[in-house]
Amino acid sequence: AQTVTQSQPEMSVQEAETVTLSCTYDTSENNYYLFWYKQPPSRQMILVIRQEAYKQQNATENRFSVNFQKAAKSFSLKISDSQLGDTAMYFCAFTPHNAGNMLTFGGGTRLMVKP
Amino acid sequence: GAVVSQHPSWVICKSGTSVKIECRSLDFQATTMFWYRQFPKQSLMLMATSNEGSKATYEQGVEKDKFLINHASLTLSTLTVTSAHPEDSSFYICSARVGRAGTGELFFGEGSRLTVL
Repeated sequence: AQTVTQSQPEMSVQEAETVTLSCTYDTSENNYYLFWYKQPPSRQMILVIRQEAYKQQNATENRFSVNFQKAAKSFSLKISDSQLGDTAMYFCAFTPHNAGNMLTFGGGTRLMVKP
Repeated sequence: GAVVSQHPSWVICKSGTSVKIECRSLDFQATTMFWYRQFPKQSLMLMATSNEGSKATYEQGVEKDKFLINHASLTLSTLTVTSAHPEDSSFYICSARVGRAGTGELFFGEGSRLTVL
């Protein structure tokens, strides 16, 4: 079984600054996908960024980037130039390559961006 | 990206009644959809995997007779909460896979808030 752990229940950051959200996972799989999802107050889950385990290069999407450390089973999300609209719950998620996209979610981190 | 729509977005019902929640993929065909439950300030817990044309696969601890899932077409899966009780009050979210299994591409519906009085 896989587990995903987000050790920071809540975080805050000043607008325009950078914040890093932590995520660790435990699996015996070698090929898998990792995700960060954003859930704003509207509750709609939005994919922020995706990483394929066999790719060593860290994924980036505009202001969002990850630090993927496969050996350490760590997958942190860095948000640069934080904006007020980034305020949301952030969930780290994992799926093995052969699991048909069945996601296991971490407990979430509530991020507040302050003006 | 692909669009997944849920209906209703919010439903209030009396204890003992049944409630149906629909999950539709609007611009793609989804052979597999997933149903999640989310309690306030908590993470998403997978309830079941819905496969078009076959029985759903339920996660351990989820009552299949309580939460009926029907995936009758490639664009629609329904979750029926039968004989709902206040403890069933929760936020229910569906997601659908785009493309073949293993690509990791999932899109989520807007969620449906169920309140059982």
